[in-house]
Amino acid sequence: EAQVTQNPRYLITVTGKKLTVTCSQNMNHEYMSWYRQDPGLGLRQIYYSMNVEVTDKGDVPEGYKVSRKEKRNFPLILESPSPNQTSLYFCASSSRQGDGYTFGSGTRLTVV
Amino acid sequence: DAKTTQPPSMDCAEGRAANLPCNHSTISGNEYVYWYRQIHSQGPQYIIHGLKNNETNEMASLIITEDRKSSTLILPHATLRDTAVYYCIVIRGNNRLAFGKGNQVVVIP
Repeated sequence: EAQVTQNPRYLITVTGKKLTVTCSQNMNHEYMSWYRQDPGLGLRQIYYSMNVEVTDKGDVPEGYKVSRKEKRNFPLILESPSPNQTSLYFCASSSRQGDGYTFGSGTRLTVV
Repeated sequence: DAKTTQPPSMDCAEGRAANLPCNHSTISGNEYVYWYRQIHSQGPQYIIHGLKNNETNEMASLIITEDRKSSTLILPHATLRDTAVYYCIVIRGNNRLAFGKGNQVVVIP
């Protein structure tokens, strides 16, 4: 089944403890992207990648890192999480042909 | 990328066609109209997209006016499972998908 898989689905962590949210797609898509969703602010893009080793900042990149060493994986790294990064995170992927993004099921992160 | 304007919310009757409007008066010639929806806290779901011709797939139809300044997403037979926030997005490339506030659609039995 074509899908975008994020892990973990839920995570509670403490301020300053580095964490990685993984994202993997099995559709050989070139484009991948990370979003966060907060009440009243909607979905905002954090980072995106147009292909292996090609990444760029979205609208809210501060406090996040990404890497794209392989086509299928696009992990989101929080080096030193803070409470304002408590949010619902979505990973998504798309082909270059523009057929629309496929989104993962989301990761609900709480930083205390 | 062009901005879009959608009503903040609307109701529609189960079993009837739901017509969701979107204005994008500043759209440029190489920008596409995309529609997504998000069912409560699930990942957004791609519905359909088009450039200037009307499009139809198994989920919906997209009608774009001749001047391309507005479009309508049509859900032919709305069901309760179509209750969601619907997003109309105009973009040039597929890598900078930006979501606005969307239209909260409630299908009423």
